[in-house]
Amino acid sequence: DSGVTQTPKHLITATGQRVTLRCSPRSGDLSVYWYQQSLDQGLQFLIQYYNGEERAKGNILERFSAQQFPDLHSELNLSSLELGDSALYFCASSVGGQAGNTIYFGEGSWLTVV
Amino acid sequence: AQSVAQPEDQVNVAEGNPLTVKCTYSVSGNPYLFWYVQYPNRGLQFLLKYITGDNLVKGSYGFEAEFNKSQTSFHLKKPSALVSDSALYFCAVRDTGGGNKLTFGTGTQLKVEL
Repeated sequence: DSGVTQTPKHLITATGQRVTLRCSPRSGDLSVYWYQQSLDQGLQFLIQYYNGEERAKGNILERFSAQQFPDLHSELNLSSLELGDSALYFCASSVGGQAGNTIYFGEGSWLTVV
Repeated sequence: AQSVAQPEDQVNVAEGNPLTVKCTYSVSGNPYLFWYVQYPNRGLQFLLKYITGDNLVKGSYGFEAEFNKSQTSFHLKKPSALVSDSALYFCAVRDTGGGNKLTFGTGTQLKVEL
């Protein structure tokens, strides 16, 4: 158990809908990350926050947004969902936001768009 | 841009034999390299990382990795494989584009057979 908690574990929703994925980082970690894992694109970095501020951004779609709250938990919002958004979404955390900090992953949220 | 390549989609090894999972990298500057393992329906688990120092890095569950700058490789090794090591292994490199973003390889499925 990495200490990173993600909810929900599984989610099935229809195209066009909006969902929110929630993440609690490990105790003491200030940085959170979101990754998407799909069969066709592999593991893709979406976004990183450090202590509430956006630190790095990947190929995150405009339909997706994230934030990190003062209590350090994070949410990833996915809107206008398409079939291709079906994937495993990982949250991860690290103590700091600097390069080289070990990143610990949660078990993921499986999103199925039908 | 930084990248890692995992040339083998699958590696098969008999239990008790040594195993190697290959990874080569391409980076500008000093490489920060990582190995993660993913068991079925589980999150990514951190195994080890190379930031600087000794070229042989020891990690969790008896795994180690050898950093070779001249060959730009960071192969994962274990002296004696266990059936329970069967999983999907990912090599990753720190992206220099700011923050602590990791770029992952495509993964290598390790199958350890009796």
